[in-house]
Amino acid sequence: EADIYQTPRYLVIGTGKKITLECSQTMGHDKMYWYQQDPGMELHLIHYSYGVNSTEKGDLSSESTVSRIRTEHFPLTLESARPSHTSQYLCASSPRLGGAGNTIYFGEGSWLTVV
Amino acid sequence: AQSVTQPDIHITVSEGASLELRCNYSYGATPYLFWYVQSPGQGLQLLLKYFSGDTLVQGIKGFEAEFKRSQSSFNLRKPSVHWSDAAEYFCALLGVGGGADGLTFGKGTHLIIQP
Repeated sequence: EADIYQTPRYLVIGTGKKITLECSQTMGHDKMYWYQQDPGMELHLIHYSYGVNSTEKGDLSSESTVSRIRTEHFPLTLESARPSHTSQYLCASSPRLGGAGNTIYFGEGSWLTVV
Repeated sequence: AQSVTQPDIHITVSEGASLELRCNYSYGATPYLFWYVQSPGQGLQLLLKYFSGDTLVQGIKGFEAEFKRSQSSFNLRKPSVHWSDAAEYFCALLGVGGGADGLTFGKGTHLIIQP
């Protein structure tokens, strides 16, 4: 299993605030992902990265942005949070492309509530 | 386009009884398939995965799944469930070219264990 850490686990903030969700992995994985999951719903990919200085948008449009300055770190930022951003955000990583390297491991998730 | 269907939104099983959770997929080639489990307020834990080879794969916590190409299915089974198995179960597919290189998830099956 991969060691992948997300902070904060739970966050309640006011509308208009800027927030950053942190995600770090200690396995040296090349690919990292952010998924969004509304309560009781499926997960949707919102961002991913192939490696340092690589960021791509996923299937679901999101107002959040990401950066990948270091291999182990893939933070997600919302410049101005709104109640519609209330959701669980799951960070994930995979060791490399191809074969068994395609296994994707998830962090514990960050629950964001915007009031 | 690739897709994953979990036909059962909720399943209730008595403790000690056997379990089968259904998963059907649509993909143009042989997919990589996964089952994840999510306990309330937690991230996703990988139960098992199928890449190639033996179509019956063993996972953690006594789970197994069988890949059936002819039926486009990857059903999850457990011979005897425990109360701690109550959770949300997600089937996922990793394909090349679809889903922006991330996992495509089913909507999940909520497993309820009766005493």
